[in-house]
Amino acid sequence: GVTQSPTHLIKTRGQQVTLRCSSQSGHNTVSWYQQALGQGPQFIFQYYREEENGRGNFPPRFSGLQFPNDSSELNVNALELDDSALYLCASSTDSGGAIHEQFFGPGTRLTVL
Amino acid sequence: KQEVTQIPAALSVPEGENLVLNCSFTDSAIYNLQWFRQDPGKGLTSLLLIQSSQREQTSGRLNASLDKSSGRSTLYIAASQPGDSATYLCAVKGGGFKTIFGAGTRLFVKA
Repeated sequence: GVTQSPTHLIKTRGQQVTLRCSSQSGHNTVSWYQQALGQGPQFIFQYYREEENGRGNFPPRFSGLQFPNDSSELNVNALELDDSALYLCASSTDSGGAIHEQFFGPGTRLTVL
Repeated sequence: KQEVTQIPAALSVPEGENLVLNCSFTDSAIYNLQWFRQDPGKGLTSLLLIQSSQREQTSGRLNASLDKSSGRSTLYIAASQPGDSATYLCAVKGGGFKTIFGAGTRLFVKA
């Protein structure tokens, strides 16, 4: 399955944070989402074969990396209080013209003080 | 800009009742629509995926339909059980490979 680390994280405003995700084996696509309390997840971006190929309405201080070994990272610079949320990653096996089911990890709960 | 709306926002039903959750979207140019279940403080569990060329999918007591032309999907849950209590989310994958979620329907099934 999809795993994420750490489970919980507390940071101070202005700091930087890196969240990690391990995709399901063989999946070539990973997406990251931010979920505020009581809301649906908001799409941050998607990586396909290590290249970003889709992005939501998030500023450039949200960046990511996807590695060939089924792992990926979400980096957030200059943390703001509003960045406090549950961060979810999802992986899938996409191919030319075929977009497949997304499988989600348990999430990382980020608190910014 | 794709917008996804789920109605109702919350629903409370007695055990055994059949129920329908609704999801509407504004842009019919989609790759697929996926229904998820989320328990409090947890990640998302995939329930059903409907590709844009399909009309419905079934899994056990769940049936999801898709009408792209009207921008609607429904999730039908038969013979509801207390264990079905959770938040149900629909998500549409469309242009720019963006996945847009609705705000969810919070379901409570009373024993």
